[in-house]
Amino acid sequence: GQNIDQPTEMTATEGAIVQINCTYQTSGFNGLFWYQQHAGEAPTFLSYNVLDGLEEKGRFSSFLSRSKGYSYLLLKELQMKDSASYLCAVGDYKLSFGAGTTVTVRA
Amino acid sequence: KAGVTQTPRYLIKTRGQQVTLSCSPISGHRSVSWYQQTPGQGLQFLFEYFSETQRNKGNFPGRFSGRQFSNSRSEMNVSTLELGDSALYLCASSVREMNTEAFFGQGTRLTVV
Repeated sequence: GQNIDQPTEMTATEGAIVQINCTYQTSGFNGLFWYQQHAGEAPTFLSYNVLDGLEEKGRFSSFLSRSKGYSYLLLKELQMKDSASYLCAVGDYKLSFGAGTTVTVRA
Repeated sequence: KAGVTQTPRYLIKTRGQQVTLSCSPISGHRSVSWYQQTPGQGLQFLFEYFSETQRNKGNFPGRFSGRQFSNSRSEMNVSTLELGDSALYLCASSVREMNTEAFFGQGTRLTVV
């Protein structure tokens, strides 16, 4: 089975940094994905980690530790448009999603 | 490069009817997966198609079915609609099987009344 946990909500100030943690226990694993989803829209692919370590893409970075079943998404220099739900997903033959973390960026 | 295209965007059906949703993947992508998203259950996997074959299926009743054509376009069908089938249905495409770097379409918002 799949068990993927991430915090429900986080709030941060514009320009700040926020780290969204994700822990997982899954029967299969071929990668850890992060998606961003604005209300009423489809999820947008942010990052994909298959090996341990940090992947950096502009203001967004994602980290994976397979031995610990742990990942985080780091959002730097927060902007108002970053207010959204962030979904952690573990891939095997399908994507198994966490419930999502709603990030609210305040001025 | 065009993204994943789903049609229609919005749909209203009555209980007992059937519905067909369409998904055109990104050019060159051969894997198409379908997901149902509801406020209570989040994103749930329905099935995955690769090279016209259903490779994997989630825990949904037989009323949910799908197929993939030779051009990788996919359709999903829901028969005998129930109120609980109201959801956002999302299609994701990837180059290979196993959902590596899957990209989602805008979804079809189905409302069953």
